[in-house]
Amino acid sequence: QVQLVQSGAEVKKPGASVKVSCKASGYTFTSYDINWVRQATGQGLEWMGWMNPNSGNTGYAQKFQGRVTMTRNTSISTAYMELSSLRSEDTAVYYCATDDYGAFDIWGQGTMVTVSS
Amino acid sequence: EIVLTQSPGTLSLSPGERATLSCRASQSVSSSYLAWYQQKPGQAPRLLIYGASSRATGIPDRFSGSGSGTDFTLTISRLEPEDFAVYYCQQYGSSPGGFTFGPGTKVDIK
Repeated sequence: QVQLVQSGAEVKKPGASVKVSCKASGYTFTSYDINWVRQATGQGLEWMGWMNPNSGNTGYAQKFQGRVTMTRNTSISTAYMELSSLRSEDTAVYYCATDDYGAFDIWGQGTMVTVSS
Repeated sequence: EIVLTQSPGTLSLSPGERATLSCRASQSVSSSYLAWYQQKPGQAPRLLIYGASSRATGIPDRFSGSGSGTDFTLTISRLEPEDFAVYYCQQYGSSPGGFTFGPGTKVDIK
């Protein structure tokens, strides 16, 4: 079945970087953009950016420009989101999701990233 | 940047009742790019409606979306126990390019 499986929970210190993976299966990886969305505990959804797995082209929300990098490895159908210069406010669940018709139809299970000294 | 406002913040209803959720945009949104999601605690969001009014695959027909321009509505015709959750609207805008979500409406049991 079509699914996105994300890497496990991470604990990082302030100032460090984190790289979350998102492995696609059940469809052609290069057919749909991958978006990243995060959600702090008890808060709403925040869009971070998108990546076209075919071309590698990316677009980032202004808030994250300069701190986020989205990449992919097409040979293993995996997308990555790296966030640098982590601070406590980056503690959240990070989701990847495919984009079809301008809506996110398939979501990963989420990856908890905790930033704590 | 387009800002989405959802109302009410919380909707307290009983099973079997009708739920009407509002999503208002700070400027006109293309109906092609207005979506609604349901999220339950500990779960990823689930796409309900895309293109303002098209139900996603497997979504029951008690869920319907409508609206255009700056005002959009998600209606749940008769609430089932599994419908009590948080609902988010989302839009895609071209200037600047990107997606934004509304703050959410929580539908809880009265």
